[in-house]
Amino acid sequence: DAGVIQSPRHEVTEMGQEVTLRCKPISGHNSLFWYRQTMMRGLELLIYFNNNVPIDDSGMPEDRFSAKMPNASFSTLKIQPSEPRDSAVYFCASTLYQGDYGYTFGSGTRLTVV
Amino acid sequence: QQQVKQSPQSLIVQKGGIPIINCAYENTAFDYFPWYQQFPGKGPALLIAIRPDVSEKKEGRFTISFNKSAKQFSLHIMDSQPGDSATYFCAASIDSGGSNYKLTFGKGTLLTVNP
Repeated sequence: DAGVIQSPRHEVTEMGQEVTLRCKPISGHNSLFWYRQTMMRGLELLIYFNNNVPIDDSGMPEDRFSAKMPNASFSTLKIQPSEPRDSAVYFCASTLYQGDYGYTFGSGTRLTVV
Repeated sequence: QQQVKQSPQSLIVQKGGIPIINCAYENTAFDYFPWYQQFPGKGPALLIAIRPDVSEKKEGRFTISFNKSAKQFSLHIMDSQPGDSATYFCAASIDSGGSNYKLTFGKGTLLTVNP
């Protein structure tokens, strides 16, 4: 298995532009998580899905952020419009049952908004 | 509200030393406590995990000690090696009924093991 696949690996965009981050979870995993990592705030959960259904989006910072999971093999995190304070590494993770397997994280997308 | 407090922020030890990283939690409903290891440019990876029905768990050179009454748990790395240099995160979650709940992470500890 190729693991959790995120794209792009790096994204540089101008303030005000729309940004879309993509994630392909491991086949067979039923939960998917989006995290944001910064030096100041560490790893913050933005949203997670169980069986493609959003369960908790309380970590989504504001209405500029949205996430979708149209099927079991694909999820997107969209920021519109982007702001410099959104600059961070965004991780996607998936799991079948975290109690036995833990999360499998992707390699992340480093987003820079200038 | 920071539900999992991790210390220290950074730690430097010599090869062969035993670094200890500590975490404290607030939510008594937490019943699953994993540790993750992250190397630069990579996502975190599960290292070891414990549930509150045991006070200690060992996997190779890594040991978790758990104190339920104090709501604290710690990671010990025996005979540390330069290859253990990484950022370590503790985390906590509710783990019941086979459903997946969100992990709350500590802020991380940057460990450097000098040769």
